Amino acid sequence: GAVVSQHPSWVICKSGTSVKIECRSLDFQATTMFWYRQFPKQSLMLMATSNEGSKATYEQGVEKDKFLINHASLTLSTLTVTSAHPEDSSFYICSPQSPSYNEQFFGPGTRLTVL
Amino acid sequence: KQEVTQIPAALSVPEGENLVLNCSFTDSAIYNLQWFRQDPGKGLTSLLLIQSSQREQTSGRLNASLDKSSGRSTLYIAASQPGDSATYLCAVRGYNQAGTALIFGKGTTLSVSS
Repeated sequence: GAVVSQHPSWVICKSGTSVKIECRSLDFQATTMFWYRQFPKQSLMLMATSNEGSKATYEQGVEKDKFLINHASLTLSTLTVTSAHPEDSSFYICSPQSPSYNEQFFGPGTRLTVL
Repeated sequence: KQEVTQIPAALSVPEGENLVLNCSFTDSAIYNLQWFRQDPGKGLTSLLLIQSSQREQTSGRLNASLDKSSGRSTLYIAASQPGDSATYLCAVRGYNQAGTALIFGKGTTLSVSS
């Protein structure tokens, strides 16, 4: 399978700060990137879809001004949680899509804890 | 809107049992269906991917079937082992606002005792 990295793997921050999560597809070019979040004992919920060079499309109920997504290149996408609050504490997972096989691969996830 | 349901939510079995995990989805217009494994606090491991034109896929002790018309898939695990203990997630590639994306069920948490 494809190699996808996320950084950081975990982060603890104070309420009100912003946190940036990086996602890199290391062995293929991802024209489309998905971002998911997972609350404890819940499933993955799709937050947004981004295509390289375009603005992200957010799912209903996800605040685009709070969760800033930048798909700067075919191998790098970032998710910035702005003015984080305790309710934003979650497991965030990126998922680049392979252009060849219509298949999504997944990063190892970033656990965010907001105090 | 596509919804994915997994039954049961949790399952405990002794080692060696064969077991079936169920997944259903509301919109049969899917591109493919995928089963994943997730260990506690970890990311996802893809187990099997079934294209919409296929009926089943097999990998080792795992067999997944797909009945698109009825909106159902099953994951069959043969001769279960303690190392199979994990949460199993079913996901379908369906339409979202931006095109298509994987939509997940809530998962079945499996515990295999030795």
